[in-house]
Amino acid sequence: DARVTQTPRHKVTEMGQEVTMRCQPILGHNTVFWYRQTMMQGLELLAYFRNRAPLDDSGMPKDRFSAEMPDATLATLKIQPSEPRDSAVYFCASGLVGVSSYNEQFFGPGTRLTVL
Amino acid sequence: GEDVEQSLFLSVREGDSSVINCTYTDSSSTYLYWYKQEPGAGLQLLTYIFSNMDMKQDQRLTVLLNKKDKHLSLRIADTQTGDSAIYFCAESRLNPGGYNKLIFGAGTRLAVHP
Repeated sequence: DARVTQTPRHKVTEMGQEVTMRCQPILGHNTVFWYRQTMMQGLELLAYFRNRAPLDDSGMPKDRFSAEMPDATLATLKIQPSEPRDSAVYFCASGLVGVSSYNEQFFGPGTRLTVL
Repeated sequence: GEDVEQSLFLSVREGDSSVINCTYTDSSSTYLYWYKQEPGAGLQLLTYIFSNMDMKQDQRLTVLLNKKDKHLSLRIADTQTGDSAIYFCAESRLNPGGYNKLIFGAGTRLAVHP
């Protein structure tokens, strides 16, 4: 049963600390997305990778956030330094995009981040 | 506007039908999606509709699409307590960079009571 995995599931940290969230996309998928979900803003797209190359990170605060795909089985999202307003659930999703515009995304269970 | 809009809450009695409505913005969207999010979990694709269709039925789910009004709805027949979740409408929007990304609505929280 192929699924997207994310670690850690929960993270509590203090303001100013570095946070790294990891995602393993479904094997064979060629797109990876990072989303942030909060009550106030809903679901926001932070970054979008296709074939490991960043296509869109316009939704990501550049001064403190960075997203990478060191290889096809790992995507990372880092926050340095973290701030209380970064508290949210961060979702990774992966998908297989081909010639059609069909764009099903498979979501991981999320990382719940709390910054004190 | 640029937002995909949905009502935030819906409460129904078990066994009744639920109808969740959505308005989207991009008339060129080729696919429209409904995702379901259960508590503590990620979003999961529930169903989708291709833009040249006006209706799609899948067991208890019926999706209606009105392209003229850019209106999408999801009907759940015989709603059960297990249907309690947040339902997200999403459109596939073509970016200037030539790729599609999903634009999600804020989600409709469906509460099913006995």
